[in-house]
Amino acid sequence: KAGVTQTPRYLIKTRGQQVTLSCSPISGHRSVSWYQQTPGQGLQFLFEYFSETQRNKGNFPGRFSGRQFSNSRSEMNVSTLELGDSALYLCASSVVEAGANVLTFGAGSRLTVL
Amino acid sequence: DQQVKQNSPSLSVQEGRISILNCDYTNSMFDYFLWYKKYPAEGPTFLISISSIKDKNEDGRFTVFLNKSAKHLSLHIVPSQPGDSAVYFCAASDSLNAGNNRKLIWGLGTSLAVNP
Repeated sequence: KAGVTQTPRYLIKTRGQQVTLSCSPISGHRSVSWYQQTPGQGLQFLFEYFSETQRNKGNFPGRFSGRQFSNSRSEMNVSTLELGDSALYLCASSVVEAGANVLTFGAGSRLTVL
Repeated sequence: DQQVKQNSPSLSVQEGRISILNCDYTNSMFDYFLWYKKYPAEGPTFLISISSIKDKNEDGRFTVFLNKSAKHLSLHIVPSQPGDSAVYFCAASDSLNAGNNRKLIWGLGTSLAVNP
């Protein structure tokens, strides 16, 4: 079955702009999580959506937002971009297996803010 | 403060030998641990997991050991192969979140290089 698809794979923006990233989960997966990966901070949890509702949120400013559609596809948006927002943004979908959640990640969207 | 720590940023091992990747955690509420590996330009992929009710879980060449008293887990790869060269992430979740939540806490990763 198809994996998690993220678009775009690479993008360059300038400070102050906004960006929208898209994620299509594995068919049947209703949970979508977003992570930011930077060299110094590793994988940082942004938020998780389940059935179009944000179920959990990490410690990121309000400039970072997301949503999930009825087909489980998700988008995240970052407004008023800052240089420090340059990172790999990873989306993961999941289903509970053996009592815990195994995440399947997409290849990521690499954002560069100039 | 890092609740999940992978103190070795990198590790180099000869092909055929054992690779041991270590992970320490500080939160005693963590009760489920996962290892993911990541190749460049790809997202992390799930490798193996262990529940706190066990102290060992094995899947082929990969074995994870959990020492709860020391709050330490390790991933053993035997024998190591060049294709195992990747970044390995340790992640943990607590009992409040295990069934309903994807808020895993991640280490910073260890880059493993397996030399032919």
